[in-house]
Parts: sequence; C-alpha cells; structure tokens
Amino acid sequence: EAQVTQNPRYLITVTGKKLTVTCSQNMNHEYMSWYRQDPGLGLRQIYYSMNVEVTDKGDVPEGYKVSRKEKRNFPLILESPSPNQTSLYFCASKLAGRYEQYFGPGTRLTVT
Amino acid sequence: QQQVKQSPQSLIVQKGGISIINCAYENTAFDYFPWYQQFPGKGPALLIAIRPDVSEKKEGRFTISFNKSAKQFSLHIMDSQPGDSATYFCAASRGGGGTYKYIFGTGTRLKVLA
Repeated sequence: EAQVTQNPRYLITVTGKKLTVTCSQNMNHEYMSWYRQDPGLGLRQIYYSMNVEVTDKGDVPEGYKVSRKEKRNFPLILESPSPNQTSLYFCASKLAGRYEQYFGPGTRLTVT
Repeated sequence: QQQVKQSPQSLIVQKGGISIINCAYENTAFDYFPWYQQFPGKGPALLIAIRPDVSEKKEGRFTISFNKSAKQFSLHIMDSQPGDSATYFCAASRGGGGTYKYIFGTGTRLKVLA
C-alpha cells in the first residue's frame, strides 16, 4: 500500500530533551516536507526537501532541523524542544513535477 | 503577500444543503490551488484542485470556483452529507510542480446536521 508513515504517533517530552520524528514514504517520491498544524493557524510548512541531500526552509523553520540521506526517509529533529513546539506534525511527499502531495497520519507532540 | 485567508472558521449546514468556503490570496505567482479534507485523527487528503487557467472545476458534489481578477477561490459542496463533516483547508502553491512551497489557509470546520 502506497503510504507515508510517521513515528511516533504520540510523544510527550520535556523541554530541552532532543527528539527525532521519523517519516518514511514508499512511493519513490522525490519531494518530502514537514508541516505543523496549530488551532487557528492551519498548516505551516517547516522544511522541505526536493531530493537526497537537498533541503530548504519553509515558513517556520526556527528550532527544527532536517536531513535527507535516503530518498524514502525525511526525519524531523528538535534538538532542544520548547513548549511552543507543542503541535501536531505532518510529513508529506510528492513526485517531482506534480502538485499532488500525500500526507502521513500525524505526530502529536507535547513539550512540557 | 504569502498569506491565504480562509473563511468562515466554522460552518454548520443542514443535510442536503450547500456548503461554501472561501479563500483569498495575494501573491499572483501562485499557480495551483488545492482543497484538502481532514477528518479527526487523520492527515489532510487532497479533495479537489484547480489551476488559474480555468474558472471552475467540478468533481462529483465538489466544485471549485476561481476568480483570478479578484484573487479568490471557493469550495462548494452540493447536497452536503453528515459524512462531509470534517475540517477543510485551502492552499496555494507556486512555481509549477518543480518546487515544494505550500501556503495553507487556517481551516474551516464543517458540521453537517442529519
């Protein structure tokens, strides 16, 4: 089944404790992206990648890091999480040259 | 200039009625305008999308109306059903399929009463 998977689905952590949210897709998509969803703000793009080793900032990149060492994986790293990063995070992917993107199921992160 | 403004924030419609959600954008470089549907606990899923070279696109009960001069586009859900109850997001992207920049609206929570 073609899909985008994220792990973990739920995470509660404390301020300053480094964490990684994994994202993987099995559709051979070149492009991958991370979003955060907050009430009243919709989805905001954090980072995106157009190929292996090629990443770029979205609209809200502060406090986040990404890496793209393999085509199928695009982990999101929070090196020192803060409470304002409590949010619902989505990974998405799409084919190069196409507009349609496919979202993962989401990761709900709580930073206390 | 990068914003996409969406209204209303919430909407209640009777079964069989028409649901209308509106979005407005500022950046004329946007060239792809999708609508996403999101159910609780799920990721957004593409519902319907339009390019600015057409004024309307219809897929089943869902229609996008696009007004390029006014920089507005809207989603119409005809014969709304309780199963349509979800959050809807408009979005805009630019630069053709060769980039991956997306700007989303703030979302509309639709409730269709049985």
